[in-house]
Parts: sequence; structure tokens; C-alpha cells
Amino acid sequence: NAGVTQTPKFQVLKTGQSMTLQCAQDMNHEYMSWYRQDPGMGLRLIHYSVGAGITDQGEVPNGYNVSRSTTEDFPLRLLSAAPSQTSVYFCASSYAGTDTEAFFGQGTRLTVV
Amino acid sequence: GENVEQHPSTLSVQEGDSAVIKCTYSDSASNYFPWYKQELGKGPQLIIDIRSNVGEKKDQRIAVTLNKTAKHFSLHITETQPEDSAVYFCAARGNTGFQKLVFGTGTRLLVSP
Repeated sequence: NAGVTQTPKFQVLKTGQSMTLQCAQDMNHEYMSWYRQDPGMGLRLIHYSVGAGITDQGEVPNGYNVSRSTTEDFPLRLLSAAPSQTSVYFCASSYAGTDTEAFFGQGTRLTVV
Repeated sequence: GENVEQHPSTLSVQEGDSAVIKCTYSDSASNYFPWYKQELGKGPQLIIDIRSNVGEKKDQRIAVTLNKTAKHFSLHITETQPEDSAVYFCAARGNTGFQKLVFGTGTRLLVSP
């Protein structure tokens, strides 16, 4: 099983550029979400989806867009990159439910210069 | 909304010693409390979790305790080994809708041989 796969693993962007972080899962999970991890701040929720066609904002959504056209894929789009978006991004997925395990991808380390 | 505080931020122990990491949460409606281990360059991985109807749970050298009245929960690792060195995150989630995990800020555990 591949689990949760994120691409790319590393990325450097210039301020103002746009890009898409890819996330795919092969576990048929209903829930998918994006977090960013910054030093001393833990993981903060950016956007999430409870199923194909349904997305919602998390704690820090500004500057990011998501869509969920299939159960498997949940891409995160940076519209106009800013240095404040330098971070490590994690995608996670889980079955629907209030106490189901969240599986995380390996992360994408993004640097905006 | 939910707020999770985690202490200490760093913890150094000798191999064979015990390690304890503590978390407090603010929302009395939270009912699911997972602990994640994150090794360098990898995504967080669930190591143990506890639900609000249980006071303690053990899995080999790892145990978690929950005090609902005081709204705190703790991770206990006994007989620590160098491979336990990692960053540990606690998290809390409420009992409705999407699995919106709120994470603590992490504890870097270093186990010295």
C-alpha cells in the first residue's frame, strides 16, 4: 500500500509564483486535509474535505485553494506565493468518523524567496 | 475553539529512563486524544490514542492517561531506547462532524545511549 503520497518533496518558489502541491491516497478514505508545520507551532489546519466535491476552510486558509474532484486526490494550490508561506506541508487522510486514525504523507518542504 | 498546550518542548533522558509528556486541552466536548511520533524528514505517525470514556491505555512501553475533570492527558514511555528519539505531538478532537484535529506544539525527545 502506498498510503498517502505527496509530491513534490521539496520546492523553491519566487514570491508571486503559483504552484500546486499534490496529494493522493489509495485507502478509499472519505476525509482529507492539509496542514502546515512551522517551528514551535505544531500542525495547523489549512483546508479539509469530507468527500468528493466538498471542501471547507481550516484555521489558516488565506492564500490557499483546494478542490476535491475525486476521492483519491486533494491538491493544494498556492495562488501567489509569499515568504510567510515557507513551511512544511502535510496532507492527511482518514475514514469518516470521530475517532478514526489520520494517516499523514511524508510532507512537502516549501521555501518562498 | 479547542486549544491544546504541550509541555515540555524538549526532553532529554538517558536510555532506560522513563519519559513523560503532558498536554492540556480547553474544550470539554473533545473526546478523542491521539499521540503522534514524527521522525526526521517524515510525516507524523499515530503511536497511541485514547477516547474520553477510558482513563488509561497501554501498548507495550507506551501508555497514555486521561483526566477529563482536569482536561489533561499524558504520554508515558518506559525503558526508553535511542530509537524513541523524535518529536511527539498530542492532539485533541471534538465529537461532531469532520475529524478536525487540534495539535500541541510538539516535544522533542532525545534519548542518549
